[in-house]
Amino acid sequence: DAKTTQPTSMDCAEGRAANLPCNHSTISGNEYVYWYRQIHSQGPQYIIHGLKNNETNEMASLIITEDRKSSTLILPHATLRDTAVYYCIVRYQGGKLIFGQGTELSVKP
Amino acid sequence: DGGITQSPKYLFRKEGQNVTLSCEQNLNHDAMYWYRQDPGQGLRLIYYSQIVNDFQKGDIAEGYSVSREKKESFPLTVTSAQKNPTAFYLCASSGLAGGEHNEQFFGPGTRLTVL
Repeated sequence: DAKTTQPTSMDCAEGRAANLPCNHSTISGNEYVYWYRQIHSQGPQYIIHGLKNNETNEMASLIITEDRKSSTLILPHATLRDTAVYYCIVRYQGGKLIFGQGTELSVKP
Repeated sequence: DGGITQSPKYLFRKEGQNVTLSCEQNLNHDAMYWYRQDPGQGLRLIYYSQIVNDFQKGDIAEGYSVSREKKESFPLTVTSAQKNPTAFYLCASSGLAGGEHNEQFFGPGTRLTVL
């Protein structure tokens, strides 16, 4: 599975969009990009995933660059409850999830 | 409500004792997983099972054992051979392994402390 690189931490003002970047320069053509988040002392929660096209659901949007070497998770209107560690993971269909250290997002009032 | 339950939430044991962590799911998922998380770290895969009566070692299986006698249940035993068992243990399940949309759903976790 391809390695991902994420910033260790980010801050975001409440009500503003949170844009979380992820680099995955060695991703192969059939690897998907997944995002999970983990609120302190809870189990991780699936957010969204994509292959080539941008994706949107009720939680977030996922923007994948045309060369697929990087992506951005967008929380359009961050709230205090979005404070969590966000994990970007790339994996083959049916492959293992490999969690790195993620980005610790702090949403501030 | 559909979901994954883990019990207990907090568990204490004395050094040298085996302990079994429970994981139950009613999502009709085929695959189940056990992860370990240490402070400030990501999750590491201990064992996983894609079907009843079958399971595979993950990246850090030494000192752990599992069973998968029922689809709904995937208990994890932390044996006395595990040298550093104090950690946060997370169980997850997903639909048929190999499918694109088999995102994993996680339980609330069990925090094990060895005294």
